[in-house]
Amino acid sequence: GQQVMQIPQYQHVQEGEDFTTYCNSSTTLSNIQWYKQRPGGHPVFLIQLVKSGEVKKQKRLTFQFGEAKKNSSLHITATQTTDVGTYFCAGPSIYNFNKFYFGSGTKLNVKP
Amino acid sequence: DGGITQSPKYLFRKEGQNVTLSCEQNLNHDAMYWYRQDPGQGLRLIYYSQIVNDFQKGDIAEGYSVSREKKESFPLTVTSAQKNPTAFYLCASSGTGNSNQPQHFGDGTRLSIL
Repeated sequence: GQQVMQIPQYQHVQEGEDFTTYCNSSTTLSNIQWYKQRPGGHPVFLIQLVKSGEVKKQKRLTFQFGEAKKNSSLHITATQTTDVGTYFCAGPSIYNFNKFYFGSGTKLNVKP
Repeated sequence: DGGITQSPKYLFRKEGQNVTLSCEQNLNHDAMYWYRQDPGQGLRLIYYSQIVNDFQKGDIAEGYSVSREKKESFPLTVTSAQKNPTAFYLCASSGTGNSNQPQHFGDGTRLSIL
């Protein structure tokens, strides 16, 4: 079946350092969405990318969708303690448009 | 405020017992989803429904059942056939069933075995 993997699984950074998580799908995705889950909370939608090679920015966060639409990345510049949480990528494959697959997640810890 | 309400927040199941988790949304969304999240893991799809009176199995449907009799409601039953039910269960909804819409999540139900 389809798999969506993320690396790294965990990342510990000092406040002010940058952070990147990478998402790789075994099949082509029609779009990619990113979610953030705070400890003890539920995932919250951050952004959606649809076009091949698309790049979007939200303040210190930069999201990129790969040219082949099978990978994506999230980069956070100058992390803050409020960035703590688990970041998930998610999306449907082009072969099964109505089933949604979540990545394994990257847990970010930011030390003040 | 519009949103998704899951209840209860915590649930304990005895051996051989079926339990039902409630999920209600007032966002007027067509699609609803159930996910299971184990500690330190990602979300795995149990069931999803694109419209009323229709639902499809996800990747881990065995031991679970759902119904979608009303647009607003998508209850999940964890049956006695699910031998390892301890997990965090998340319900979500989206505007349409074509996966181009973001998913809105409830606060989740933590299920444990007594």
